[in-house]
Amino acid sequence: QKEVEQNSGPLSVPEGAIASLNCTYSDRGSQSFFWYRQYSGKSPELIMSIYSNGDKEDGRFTAQLNKASQYVSLLIRDSQPSDSATYLCAVLVSGTYKYIFGTGTRLKVLA
Amino acid sequence: EPEVTQTPSHQVTQMGQEVILRCVPISNHLYFYWYRQILGQKVEFLVSFYNNEISEKSEIFDDQFSVERPDGSNFTLKIRSTKLEDSAMYFCASSELVGTTYNEQFFGPGTRLTVL
Repeated sequence: QKEVEQNSGPLSVPEGAIASLNCTYSDRGSQSFFWYRQYSGKSPELIMSIYSNGDKEDGRFTAQLNKASQYVSLLIRDSQPSDSATYLCAVLVSGTYKYIFGTGTRLKVLA
Repeated sequence: EPEVTQTPSHQVTQMGQEVILRCVPISNHLYFYWYRQILGQKVEFLVSFYNNEISEKSEIFDDQFSVERPDGSNFTLKIRSTKLEDSAMYFCASSELVGTTYNEQFFGPGTRLTVL
């Protein structure tokens, strides 16, 4: 059974700080990784994808991937109260058409 | 910007009834998916669909469920003989491809299914 693990939180950070969200996955062959944001009662909204080891930046967001450690992270710089949401890590299971999601980390940005 | 749409936004049904949830994927996308999310729980994969066939399905997707692409735009999830535990948010998603790139999934707004 392939798994994606996330700390459920809540992770509380002050406005303007860097929020760091982490995810580990069990499928060593996975090549595609995604971060989504989900507000309460809403659908997951894609933040970014990452496929190669290292960092990928998009605005205030940086995704980091370490395949050897089976670890993906998301950094949010200059956190805003509007960033308060649940952040979902998703992985495409290798050799399949199946995406699995972690339980999500609830982020609270305090004004 | 293209988006996935879903109807209805909320469906209430009696236990034992059949429901059909509808989705219109993004027009140039080739892969379609259904997920469910029980309140307070994680997003769970149900099924993926490509070229008018099921590509992958989870253990949740048993004989009670079926999917169909009845025309060039709609993608449906049918749940036969609904049970109380089918109450959840159902999300449709689509992706352009499934490969090392262009496999980003985009989600619709969801249908909240309530089984009484």
